[in-house]
Amino acid sequence: EIVLTQSPGTLSLSPGARATLSCRASQSITNNYLAWYQKKPGQAPRLLIFGASGRANGTPDRFSGSGSGTDFTLTISRLDPEDFAVYYCQQYGSSGTFGQGTKVEIK
Amino acid sequence: QVQLVQSGAEVKPPGASVKVSCKASGYAFSYHGVSWVRQAPGQGLEWMGWISVGSGNTNYAQKFQGRVTISTDTSTSTAYLELRSLTSDDAAMYYCHRVTIFGVVSDFDYWGQGTLVTVSS
Repeated sequence: EIVLTQSPGTLSLSPGARATLSCRASQSITNNYLAWYQKKPGQAPRLLIFGASGRANGTPDRFSGSGSGTDFTLTISRLDPEDFAVYYCQQYGSSGTFGQGTKVEIK
Repeated sequence: QVQLVQSGAEVKPPGASVKVSCKASGYAFSYHGVSWVRQAPGQGLEWMGWISVGSGNTNYAQKFQGRVTISTDTSTSTAYLELRSLTSDDAAMYYCHRVTIFGVVSDFDYWGQGTLVTVSS
C-alpha cells in the first residue's frame, strides 16, 4: 500500500502570502494519479487538482499542482481568506490512500 | 444536475453492522464508479474502497478487508456501504464520492453530503 506523507503539518501564513504544500509518496504513483482536496469543517472535500496538475472545474487559478513520481506540490499563489483550511493529497493509482493533511491557518 | 444524496445519521451499538446508502441522480450511474471515504472526529480523510458500477468490481483498503462490502442497485441508482463488527473507532462521517468507471478522479467531482455514524452502547 502506498503511503503519502504531507508536510508541513501546519502552515501559518497571512492573507496574500504564498503557500507551498508537499506530498511525498512511498513509491512512484501510477500515471501521476495524484489529487489535492480542500476540506473545511462540516463540508465534503472539494477537489482542487487531479492528475497532479490539472485544475478541477471551478478551481481558482491561484491554485496549481506540480510534481511527478513520488514528489508533488500544491501551491496557492496568494492566499485568500477563504483558503484557510486543511488540504489533503490522495493517490488513486493503486487503491486510494490519503495523506494525513496540512492545515493552513491564519498567522 | 449531478447529486449524491446519502442516508441519514445512524447510531449503532458496538459489534453491530451499519449500511449507508448514496442515491445518485443527474448522470449515467452505470458508467461511473463510487468510492467511500470517512473522517473520524479530529482525524484525516480515510479511503475505504470503491466499486465500478457497471462491472460490479470492487477494491477495498487493506484495513477494511473482510469487514466492508460496497454494492450498488442500478435499478435505483444507489450505492451502499456496509461495515460490520463496529467499534468506537468506526465513529465517523462517511462520504460517497463519484469517480470514473476506472476508479480515477476526474475534473467534475461530486460528493455526497456525508452520513454521521455513531457507535455507542
